[in-house]
Amino acid sequence: DAGVTQSPTHLIKTRGQQVTLRCSPKSGHDTVSWYQQALGQGPQFIFQYYEEEERQRGNFPDRFSGHQFPNYSSELNVNALLLGDSALYLCASSLEPGFSSYEQYFGPGTRLTVT
Amino acid sequence: AQTVTQSQPEMSVQEAETVTLSCTYDTSESDYYLFWYKQPPSRQMILVIRQEAYKQQNATENRFSVNFQKAAKSFSLKISDSQLGDAAMYFCAYKPGGSNYKLTFGKGTLLTVNP
Repeated sequence: DAGVTQSPTHLIKTRGQQVTLRCSPKSGHDTVSWYQQALGQGPQFIFQYYEEEERQRGNFPDRFSGHQFPNYSSELNVNALLLGDSALYLCASSLEPGFSSYEQYFGPGTRLTVT
Repeated sequence: AQTVTQSQPEMSVQEAETVTLSCTYDTSESDYYLFWYKQPPSRQMILVIRQEAYKQQNATENRFSVNFQKAAKSFSLKISDSQLGDAAMYFCAYKPGGSNYKLTFGKGTLLTVNP
């Protein structure tokens, strides 16, 4: 049973550039959430995608955008990178609707460093 | 806004002993879910245990159990017979019920297990 996978594992970008991170959900899951985890902090919710639409968004600027494809995989795009965007980006998948406990399965993350 | 507080940045325990990690949360909701996630150095977040707020019985998963005090808004994790593999960062997380899909995490507790 394939779990949540993310690519790339590590990424180094320069301030002002744009970056795209990718996520494949756990087999059978149809919902993808993205989180940003700064060093020494807990993850913070960026947004969630379901049925190829952004269903809910956290307190992140419009520089953060996403997409979900028909096969349920997802991309996170960040434009005009800032030094403060350096973090571990986690993708989590879950099954909707009807999965009442809303358990989310996390991927290993992408470590983004902005210089 | 919901907040999750983990007041113990670091904890240590001897192998085979018992340790309790604390978590408090703030919410005005009556329907919600609580989770404990483990994040080892490999970075992949793993669900340890979950609790539905409407259930009075405390959840148990093998050596892991919770003490859920709804009135006090407290949700502590007890690890019995600690093992070296339990060493990790532990995050408490909260999710409202209904159509709010955001997981709110605490800042985490780093657990060290001493042989």
